[in-house]
Amino acid sequence: RKEVEQDPGPFNVPEGATVAFNCTYSNSASQSFFWYRQDCRKEPKLLMSVYSSGNEDGRFTAQLNRASQYISLLIRDSKLSDSATYLCVVVDNFNKFYFGSGTKLNVKP
Amino acid sequence: EPEVTQTPSHQVTQMGQEVILRCVPISNHLYFYWYRQILGQKVEFLVSFYNNEISEKSEIFDDQFSVERPDGSNFTLKIRSTKLEDSAMYFCASGGGSSYGYTFGSGTRLTVV
Repeated sequence: RKEVEQDPGPFNVPEGATVAFNCTYSNSASQSFFWYRQDCRKEPKLLMSVYSSGNEDGRFTAQLNRASQYISLLIRDSKLSDSATYLCVVVDNFNKFYFGSGTKLNVKP
Repeated sequence: EPEVTQTPSHQVTQMGQEVILRCVPISNHLYFYWYRQILGQKVEFLVSFYNNEISEKSEIFDDQFSVERPDGSNFTLKIRSTKLEDSAMYFCASGGGSSYGYTFGSGTRLTVV
């Protein structure tokens, strides 16, 4: 079983749409959770941390469900510039990062 | 904003040659990582480094790979006797601890011919 699983997509949405990505993880001892964004042929960049209470940063909302071992990312009012691959990252209790395979988002005019 | 710097940005090498990929992590960070990403595939963990030693390595990180932090600032990945399948983007990352996320360098694209 993979440590972190994501729907690869692609998700093709029109500008202004709301889109949600989910990610599941297998290690119940995982400590920290993040969403990274990766543009084509670029390095992953930290988008936001994910906290148990849920957190919001502008149009982006991240949530964590420890009982079901999944995290989610909601993007409201999608912009063309949101087009990228979104990587779910889970950190275990040895500070090792596990990456999901990424979900590709295409926002179209 | 502090950056992780990687050099070179692109390296082409012949199969069987040794390469050294260089990284300058953010200065007050304690944890250092190498990852690789084969074109079109997911980011894969290679090795983590803390307190001047390897803390964990993946099964990809076999005897042809080694890491060093020779002078307290640079963090290098050496690949001995490169193979065609080593062609990938290699990312260095550094961080202050798991709660803060990690910053990635812009990567070195290694092409083995």
